[in-house]
Amino acid sequence: GNSVTQMEGPVTLSEEAFLTINCTYTATGYPSLFWYVQYPGEGLQLLLKATKADDKGSNKGFEATYRKETTSFHLEKGSVQVSDSAVYFCALSVGALSGSARQLTFGSGTQLTVLP
Amino acid sequence: EAQVTQNPRYLITVTGKKLTVTCSQNMNHEYMSWYRQDPGLGLRQIYYSMNVEVTDKGDVPEGYKVSRKEKRNFPLILESPSPNQTSLYFCASSQSREVRGTQYFGPGTRLLVL
Repeated sequence: GNSVTQMEGPVTLSEEAFLTINCTYTATGYPSLFWYVQYPGEGLQLLLKATKADDKGSNKGFEATYRKETTSFHLEKGSVQVSDSAVYFCALSVGALSGSARQLTFGSGTQLTVLP
Repeated sequence: EAQVTQNPRYLITVTGKKLTVTCSQNMNHEYMSWYRQDPGLGLRQIYYSMNVEVTDKGDVPEGYKVSRKEKRNFPLILESPSPNQTSLYFCASSQSREVRGTQYFGPGTRLLVL
């Protein structure tokens, strides 16, 4: 079956520090990969995505590269801000372009706290 | 504004008292889904719907029901809630013909079953 493994949190960093949140996956088929972010008291929002090997997704200074050889999709940011404090979820989707019935498998989430 | 709305946002109830959590989207999306979020487990899919009158079980469907009589609405029904259904619930929708898996989430419903 499909599964996503994220590094355990919580992660606490000082402002302007470098961030890495590890994510590895197992999947039957050829997945698309995603990072979702959940700010306090809110629903999940798509942060970035990559749909094929070696693609790099990027948004708001965050980046992640789809590495098929290591089945990984690690999230990175060069300089975090207090406003980046949130829970980050890695997820995958496997299915035809017309829409898979079971679209997203999530990791357990990583809580990030950035201190001023 | 394109959005997914859920009601109520917070609910405290007692074991066995039927309840419904509503979900509505204004994006004309075909696909809708319910998830529950529990500490250390991430989000797990409860039920999903590919279109009107088409629903199917996700990973953790026991104790839940859904219906999809209209495209925009996808209510979650707990016929006889139990304490192990205390959780944070999210509704999501997507246009199934978009790039796979880009889902739009509601703000969440926090449920406590005593």
